[in-house]
Amino acid sequence: NAGVMQNPRHLVRRRGQEARLRCSPMKGHSHVYWYRQLPEEGLKFMVYLQKENIIDESGMPKERFSAEFPKEGPSILRIQQVVRGDSAAYFCASSTRTGGGDEQFFGPGTRLTVL
Amino acid sequence: KNEVEQSPQNLTAQEGEFITINCSYSVGISALHWLQQHPGGGIVSLFMLSSGKKKHGRLIATINIQEKHSSLHITASHPRDSAVYICAAAGAQKLVFGQGTRLTINP
Repeated sequence: NAGVMQNPRHLVRRRGQEARLRCSPMKGHSHVYWYRQLPEEGLKFMVYLQKENIIDESGMPKERFSAEFPKEGPSILRIQQVVRGDSAAYFCASSTRTGGGDEQFFGPGTRLTVL
Repeated sequence: KNEVEQSPQNLTAQEGEFITINCSYSVGISALHWLQQHPGGGIVSLFMLSSGKKKHGRLIATINIQEKHSSLHITASHPRDSAVYICAAAGAQKLVFGQGTRLTINP
């Protein structure tokens, strides 16, 4: 029973490029959450998705960031035209049921470095 | 003021000591999570609780809903317990995180 998978584990991009981060939830989990951890800062909620639906994107920056969780395949967090301030660890988590009241299982994270 | 406050921010102790990390929150919650982040960066869920007390091995988590306060205790601490411990308040849709407590256990 594989846990939450994220890839790549490390991603290096130059300013202006696009970054695509993938998250495969645990088997049987239909709820995915993305969190960002800036260097030396705490975790911050970005977006909560169910299959084919964005439920809460209140933590997502208004521009350049988007997320999807298609019917088939992993959830994708996409950052267009990356800037140095996007350098951070991006974690996804999955759960079986809605919201924060259910245990969330975290992936190993993707560490994005923008040069 | 942050919605979730942890104390202390940093804690250094000797192996074998009893450890307490505190978490206070100001938001309404459906549950309170305790997470452990290893030096390598991975995050593990330790506890999710909405009332009372839970125990797993040497770890104990308690919550007082009326006082909006939770504590994480580690008995007989060991150097391998060195990590960042994070509490997170669970609302209807998402988690709100504390800033974390960096724990170092010296042999």
